[in-house]
Amino acid sequence: DIQMTQSPSSVSASVGDRVTITCRASQDITRWLAWYQQKPGRAPHLLIYAASNLQSGVPSRFSGSGSVTDFTLTINSLQPEDSATYYCQQANNLPFTFGPGTRVDI
Amino acid sequence: EVQLVESGGGLVQPGGSLRLSCAASGFTFSNYWMSWVRQAPGKGLEWVANIKEDGSVKYSGDSVKGRFTISRDNAKNSLYLQMNSLRVEDTAVYYCARESFQPNVYYYGMDVWGQGTTVTVSS
Repeated sequence: DIQMTQSPSSVSASVGDRVTITCRASQDITRWLAWYQQKPGRAPHLLIYAASNLQSGVPSRFSGSGSVTDFTLTINSLQPEDSATYYCQQANNLPFTFGPGTRVDI
Repeated sequence: EVQLVESGGGLVQPGGSLRLSCAASGFTFSNYWMSWVRQAPGKGLEWVANIKEDGSVKYSGDSVKGRFTISRDNAKNSLYLQMNSLRVEDTAVYYCARESFQPNVYYYGMDVWGQGTTVTVSS
């Protein structure tokens, strides 16, 4: 199975800051990576698919980049409502696997 | 409104069985792959299984293979997860999700999620 790692495991930032989260796959997953946001007690919410495509309705301050094994989620101009845990997920090989998550505190 | 609603969770003893259901509405259910994802208390997300639009292809994770079976009834717009030989480590919130996926062609993510149903395995 493909192993996914994320860094940092948690980050504390201020409103207006830029936050960057890194996701690394244990082998080539081309561009089949998705990012999800999850708030406590809620279901995950799709932010980015195919590494860099913004899901409809997601604010443009969220962006994704990367390919092969290294990927990045960037939140520009952090807002209070962005406080959440963020997960990457590879979908190049079954079984699909998620990263361990990155908690973002405001 | 596009919606997924899970049901069927509860408390079960180790070794027992449970069947989860997921009712879909607001979209053409038979046009989408569907998946189950779970989250143990205080832990991250774990992909459990998914199923092709017509039910002809199914995949599952190593931790549930041979114990859990995913299925669907397109006439009823419903997704199911039959869970047998349950273990304490299967305790989790179980989410169903809609997937935009075609193997070896594209993956556009799980874009619609249910609210989750809680399964507790304990004696």
